[in-house]
Amino acid sequence: AQKITQTQPGMFVQEKEAVTLDCTYDTSDPSYGLFWYKQPSSGEMIFLIYQGSYDQQNATEGRYSLNFQKARKSANLVISASQLGDSAMYFCAMRGLSGAGSYQLTFGKGTKLSVIP
Amino acid sequence: DGGITQSPKYLFRKEGQNVTLSCEQNLNHDAMYWYRQDPGQGLRLIYYSQIVNDFQKGDIAEGYSVSREKKESFPLTVTSAQKNPTAFYLCASTRRGGRGTEAFFGQGTRLTVV
Repeated sequence: AQKITQTQPGMFVQEKEAVTLDCTYDTSDPSYGLFWYKQPSSGEMIFLIYQGSYDQQNATEGRYSLNFQKARKSANLVISASQLGDSAMYFCAMRGLSGAGSYQLTFGKGTKLSVIP
Repeated sequence: DGGITQSPKYLFRKEGQNVTLSCEQNLNHDAMYWYRQDPGQGLRLIYYSQIVNDFQKGDIAEGYSVSREKKESFPLTVTSAQKNPTAFYLCASTRRGGRGTEAFFGQGTRLTVV
C-alpha cells in the first residue's frame, strides 16, 4: 500500500521569497515515482515536477525543485522566488513503476499556499 | 491537441437519480482513473482501469460504477446508492511506467445534489 503525508494544511510566503512544502511517503514498491501537482481555484490539476526513486539527482523544473531524501522517505517541493500566481493548493503524489503498483496514483491531502504581496 | 475532456463541467442531480460523468482522452494512454475531491481535501480514488474491459475498485467505490469499452473512454456513473455525491470529480490518465509518467487530468465535473 502507498501513503502520502502532507503535514502543512496551509502556508504563507512573502512574494519573491522561497518556500518549502513538505511531503513524506511510504510504499512497498521497489521503484516508484513522486509527483507534485498545483491546483488553482479553477480546479484543474497542473503537473509541476517528477522524481524517480532511482534518480541520482534532485529534479528541477524552472522555479520548482524537489528535495528528495530517500532514506527519510521525503520529497519536499521548493518554490523559489514566489509569485502571486503561485497561490494554490499543492498536492504530492506517488505511483509505483512496476507490478501492481504501477497503475495506482496516490495523493496526499494537500497544502494551501498563499503568497503575500 | 491531445488531452482529456470531461463533461459536463457542472451537473445537478436530484435525490434518487443516477447520473453519468463523461471522460474521453486522445493521449493513447493505457490507464484511466476517477477521483473524488471534497472541499479542502485531497483526491480519493474511486475506480481505475488498466486496460479495456477491465477495472478495479479504489478506496471509495461504493455507490459508483464504471465501464471501459473503449481505450479512449471511461465514464463514471454516480448511482442513487451514493449517499453524499456532492463533490468535484476528476478524471485522469497515465501511460505505462518510466519517466514522464505523470497523470494528465481533465478540467473536472462539479456535481451538486439538489
